[in-house]
Amino acid sequence: GESVGLHLPTLSVQEGDNSIINCAYSNSASDYFIWYKQESGKGPQFIIDIRSNMDKRQGQRVTVLLNKTVKHLSLQIAATQPGDSAVYFCAENMETGANNLFFGTGTRLTVIP
Amino acid sequence: SAVISQKPSRDICQRGTSLTIQCQVDSQVTMMFWYRQQPGQSLTLIATANQGSEATYESGFVIDKFPISRPNLTFSTLTVSNMSPEDSSIYLCSVDRLAYNEQFFGPGTRLTVL
Repeated sequence: GESVGLHLPTLSVQEGDNSIINCAYSNSASDYFIWYKQESGKGPQFIIDIRSNMDKRQGQRVTVLLNKTVKHLSLQIAATQPGDSAVYFCAENMETGANNLFFGTGTRLTVIP
Repeated sequence: SAVISQKPSRDICQRGTSLTIQCQVDSQVTMMFWYRQQPGQSLTLIATANQGSEATYESGFVIDKFPISRPNLTFSTLTVSNMSPEDSSIYLCSVDRLAYNEQFFGPGTRLTVL
């Protein structure tokens, strides 16, 4: 079936460097995408979202890029900090206008001091 | 953001028993959802909790195993029935306030079935 997946299950970066976490999706009907951060023992925390009518959205130190042509989503974290170490999930709604989310596999980001 | 609490935060249960997990939100929300996160895995949507009507279950999840209640716009429960060790997971509720276009998650309930 259609699914959301990630290219890399783990990512290690040096503190201060930029991080890029990638996500591939296969459902062209999805029109809403969210990135979540999950720290150990906690629920997922909303980071940033993007709708399919956009190709880029920026937040504080984070940028999400959406390439609908190749069905690719990425999360860029600038000046990565030790507090950014967590598992990052992309999620999509799988159906235009739907509210429920379907999550990708997840990428564990480790920031090396 | 919405403040979401879950009870219990964790539990250890015996095979064959049932556990009811509560989710409380500090404000009225349109949509509430229940997810399961098995150890080291991603989140899987169990169902959408509908206020005033039966929950909408995703493929692979049934009402007899995961009965859900949603008596009002701030509260929902998920019951894990007739538990087996395979039900050991983190169970999370989430809420969606359409005006905010974001889905917020509770802290989760860590369930271990012996």
